[in-house]
Amino acid sequence: GAVVSQHPSWVICKSGTSVKIECRSLDFQATTMFWYRQFPKQSLMLMATSNEGSKATYEQGVEKDKFLINHASLTLSTLTVTSAHPEDSSFYICSAREVRPEAFFGQGTRLTVV
Amino acid sequence: GQNIDQPTEMTATEGAIVQINCTYQTSGFNGLFWYQQHAGEAPTFLSYNVLDGLEEKGRFSSFLSRSKGYSYLLLKELQMKDSASYLCAVVSGSARQLTFGSGTQLTVLP
Repeated sequence: GAVVSQHPSWVICKSGTSVKIECRSLDFQATTMFWYRQFPKQSLMLMATSNEGSKATYEQGVEKDKFLINHASLTLSTLTVTSAHPEDSSFYICSAREVRPEAFFGQGTRLTVV
Repeated sequence: GQNIDQPTEMTATEGAIVQINCTYQTSGFNGLFWYQQHAGEAPTFLSYNVLDGLEEKGRFSSFLSRSKGYSYLLLKELQMKDSASYLCAVVSGSARQLTFGSGTQLTVLP
């Protein structure tokens, strides 16, 4: 089956710093990658959709300058949370899709901003 | 916009059968997924329906009625490990993005 690797699994950072999260499709080429955020006991909220080589499409209410997404290759997308604040603490999950409709999820990254 | 509704919580007994419903309103419908998510973990794929009818996979079955905007996930022979959140997700739009419902927290009691 398709495997999506997300790194790091958890990170603690100081307020005001930036954090980069990587999402890799290990055994398939991901034409589209999605980034989600999930707060405790809530569902996954789509933040942005990215296609390889083009700019990400952000959902309403998601600041593109704060959440930088780069999808430089068919196997790698990165999410950088810039100038992180405690309210950015959340569970961030990426998913990747090839031609099949099913999207495969990374393990998730638990971000804690102190 | 899109609207996906599913019950917030359900409780069932080990060995029983439980049905989790999902209703949706969306444009450009391209299929519906069910995912299972344990606390602190990423969602795992359970089923995908794009045509009307029932898809059976072991203890889990999923049903879709596109005309009614309705799906359900049926779990048979419940086990304690089935206690988790079950997410209904609709595929729509040209990007075929997934929009998730709020999830149904299922608790299986002994």
